[in-house]
Amino acid sequence: AQKVTQAQTEISVVEKEDVTLDCVYETRDTTYYLFWYKQPPSGELVFLIRRNSFDEQNEISGRYSWNFQKSTSSFNFTITASQVVDSAVYFCALREYGNKLVFGAGTILRVKS
Amino acid sequence: KAGVTQTPRYLIKTRGQQVTLSCSPISGHRSVSWYQQTPGQGLQFLFEYFSETQRNKGNFPGRFSGRQFSNSRSEMNVSTLELGDSALYLCASSLEVNYEQYFGPGTRLTVT
Repeated sequence: AQKVTQAQTEISVVEKEDVTLDCVYETRDTTYYLFWYKQPPSGELVFLIRRNSFDEQNEISGRYSWNFQKSTSSFNFTITASQVVDSAVYFCALREYGNKLVFGAGTILRVKS
Repeated sequence: KAGVTQTPRYLIKTRGQQVTLSCSPISGHRSVSWYQQTPGQGLQFLFEYFSETQRNKGNFPGRFSGRQFSNSRSEMNVSTLELGDSALYLCASSLEVNYEQYFGPGTRLTVT
């Protein structure tokens, strides 16, 4: 069965600090997809990234970067030089091919000025 | 393109009543999924539709049902409401199954 673990319930940082959000997943499928979503205080889930199991290349988008390592079943998310606007709940999610999308419990990120 | 829209945004119902929530996906998206979000249980998958066919179903009682129309719009229905059904109900659409899902603002349901 597919499962996502986000062990960090809540993280607090000061603005401009770098922060890494951990995500560990479990699946027996060889074809699967990993996602990160952001849920700001307004409530709407915002899509950040999608990765398929055959593409382990790390990705950088502005201050955001993602590290996908199949060897450790991890898909970690790093925010460089955090800003107050980054304060939100961040969800990691996993989808086995053709199966439902399963979310982790989420990590609350608080960035203080 | 307009995003995913959900109506109504807020709803207050009484135990035992039924409710229907509506979702309009992004234009061109053929897959619609529904989720329930609560502080205790997090984000839980309800069901997924693609081209009017239910593709996946979560572990919810039969009181929860849904459907998708030929224009990809979707509705979900909850009958015989219970207090525990109070939650934020989120709809998401995607071009195809397995693609990234884009979420609507949700419907906040309160059951009293």
